[in-house]
Amino acid sequence: DVKVTQSSRYLVKRTGEKVFLECVQDMDHENMFWYRQDPGLGLRLIYFSYDVKMKEKGDIPEGYSVSREKKERFSLILESASTNQTSMYLCASSLLSRLAVDGELFFGEGSRLTVL
Amino acid sequence: GQNIDQPTEMTATEGAIVQINCTYQTSGFNGLFWYQQHAGEAPTFLSYNVLDGLEEKGRFSSFLSRSKGYSYLLLKELQMKDSASYLCAVPGGGNKLTFGTGTQLKVEL
Repeated sequence: DVKVTQSSRYLVKRTGEKVFLECVQDMDHENMFWYRQDPGLGLRLIYFSYDVKMKEKGDIPEGYSVSREKKERFSLILESASTNQTSMYLCASSLLSRLAVDGELFFGEGSRLTVL
Repeated sequence: GQNIDQPTEMTATEGAIVQINCTYQTSGFNGLFWYQQHAGEAPTFLSYNVLDGLEEKGRFSSFLSRSKGYSYLLLKELQMKDSASYLCAVPGGGNKLTFGTGTQLKVEL
């Protein structure tokens, strides 16, 4: 089975702190994604990466950055956390060649971040 | 860009049939996807439609009309475990999916 693992299920941070959210997948997938999920707004794409050291902005990249140094790992970084970044963060991965075919994203369990 | 619309909530009875609608506007159609998400869990892939018509997969079916920008997910013989959020999604450029806000389905006895 494909496994996408997010490092922390729950985090509580203070405004201004630097926050790292880690995601690892074990299926050699090229594509990796970071979404945030908020009530009434659904899943919104922050950043994605289709190869090592490659990254593309999603729909809401402001206040975030990412790092993809190894194929299996995709990190989301909040340089200076703010209260409006309190959210559920979901990492996902997919095979590069298959997204346009059947769209199967494999999601991690999510990281619920609270910024005080 | 993509614009997706789905009802926020629906309630149905165990054993019944329910239809969850999704309308979309997208520049360049490349398929439509349905995902299921139980509370506190990750979304999981349900179905994909790229051609018009009905695709059946067990108790779940998904329908697409490209000319109308419309899809629905049909759930038959509802079970309590089908209580979940159902997300409609369309691909944008660069291998990314844009999701609707989801329809929260509650199955009651």
